[in-house]
Amino acid sequence: GEEVAQTPKHLVRGEGQKAKLYCAPIKGHSYVFWYQQVLKNEFKFLISFQNENVFDETGMPKERFSAKCLPNSPCSLEIQATKLEDSAVYFCASSQSFGSSPGELFFGEGSRLTVL
Amino acid sequence: TQLLEQSPQFLSIQEGENLTVYCNSSSVFSSLQWYRQEPGEGPVLLVTVVTGGEVKKLKRLTFQFGDARKDSSLHITAAQPGDTGLYLCAGEYGNKLVFGAGTILRVKS
Repeated sequence: GEEVAQTPKHLVRGEGQKAKLYCAPIKGHSYVFWYQQVLKNEFKFLISFQNENVFDETGMPKERFSAKCLPNSPCSLEIQATKLEDSAVYFCASSQSFGSSPGELFFGEGSRLTVL
Repeated sequence: TQLLEQSPQFLSIQEGENLTVYCNSSSVFSSLQWYRQEPGEGPVLLVTVVTGGEVKKLKRLTFQFGDARKDSSLHITAAQPGDTGLYLCAGEYGNKLVFGAGTILRVKS
C-alpha cells in the first residue's frame, strides 16, 4: 500500500489481558519501527526490523512485549499481561532505507491502547 | 536522560510572531531530521539536514544544523495557526531513530 496501515485504531484491555497490534508497512519498504507515545508526547523506541529480521530491540521490555514481521503478513506487536502503564499510542513506521543514507520514516496513524 | 534535548517544551504565541525551537545533544549525528505531528496523526517529515552548518528553508521554516553536528534549530517566521502542532527532532543512533521530547507549538489567531 501507499501508506502505513495500523489496526486497530483503539483497543481497550483490562489489566493482565493480552493486547496485539498490527502494522502493514508501505510496499517496498524494508524497515519497520515501533514506537510508544505516552502523554508527555515522548516517542519511546521499542523495536525495529529489517525485513523479517530484528534490527534493534534495545527498547523492548522483553518480559511482556514481543514483535514479529513475517513475510506476506502484517507486522505485529504483542503485549502479554498488560499493565496500566502500557496505556499509550503505539506508532508503527516504515522506511525504504536506514543507516547509510538518512531515510524518511513514514508513520501510521497509531493504535491507542487503554488499559483499565 | 534524553539523547536529544529539545527546548522549549511548550510555546504559545500570537499569529505573526517568530519563534525558534532548539535540539541539542552531546553526541555527534550524521544527520538530524525534523518531524511535525498533528493530533490524531503520525509524525510527518519536514526536513533532513546532513552537512554541518547546513541551512535549509521550507517556505517560512528555516532549519539549521550545527557546525559540529550536535545540534539543530527550527525557526518559523510569521507563524500562522496552521503551524500549530508537535515538532520533533530526530537522529539516527545505532539501528534506531531516536526522538527529542518534542515542542508543542500553539499559534493563536
